[in-house]
Amino acid sequence: GAVVSQHPSWVICKSGTSVKIECRSLDFQATTMFWYRQFPKQSLMLMATSNEGSKATYEQGVEKDKFLINHASLTLSTLTVTSAHPEDSSFYICSVTNYNEQFFGPGTRLTVL
Amino acid sequence: GQQLNQSPQSMFIQEGEDVSMNCTSSSIFNTWLWYKQDPGEGPVLLIALYKAGELTSNGRLTAQFGITRKDSFLNISASIPSDVGIYFCAGPGGATNKLIFGTGTLLAVQP
Repeated sequence: GAVVSQHPSWVICKSGTSVKIECRSLDFQATTMFWYRQFPKQSLMLMATSNEGSKATYEQGVEKDKFLINHASLTLSTLTVTSAHPEDSSFYICSVTNYNEQFFGPGTRLTVL
Repeated sequence: GQQLNQSPQSMFIQEGEDVSMNCTSSSIFNTWLWYKQDPGEGPVLLIALYKAGELTSNGRLTAQFGITRKDSFLNISASIPSDVGIYFCAGPGGATNKLIFGTGTLLAVQP
């Protein structure tokens, strides 16, 4: 498998501020990481694929200027929610792929007031 | 696009009972993954299936890859309170092979 950590585990911010979430692959060099969003009582929805050393690819309907992704090293990807609004409140989860299996971080709960 | 439908949506059972849930798709999948998500946590991989007809166990959990490659089921035997959570099936789909998640089955176990 692979061990993935996220920081912070939860964050509360004011509307209009930006929030950065980190995803680290602790025991595995990940050229690709994935960012998901999960609203209450719903399944995980893929937001974007983070590619080490190149631009992220975003799913349809996800604003790339609002959700900035940086994958500067093989062990770290960051997701920045810019100008956050209450509707961005959600559970954000990252994952890494090892062969055909994906391993997930513990998630970050974002609450925008 | 490809979708994965899980049933039942939720289950409320007594400790010690066996549980069965399934996942169906309108299109073929070449890999089936079963995850469990505890409240406030990320999903944890339980079982991975790679071949049609494959039956794989992980402790009290058993999962099978349907021979049509359009379905899979997960069984939990002798349930215990810590089995509580949401169970998701998932599989790589579409042209880009990105992971598609099922709708989830919520399991509640009464001691």
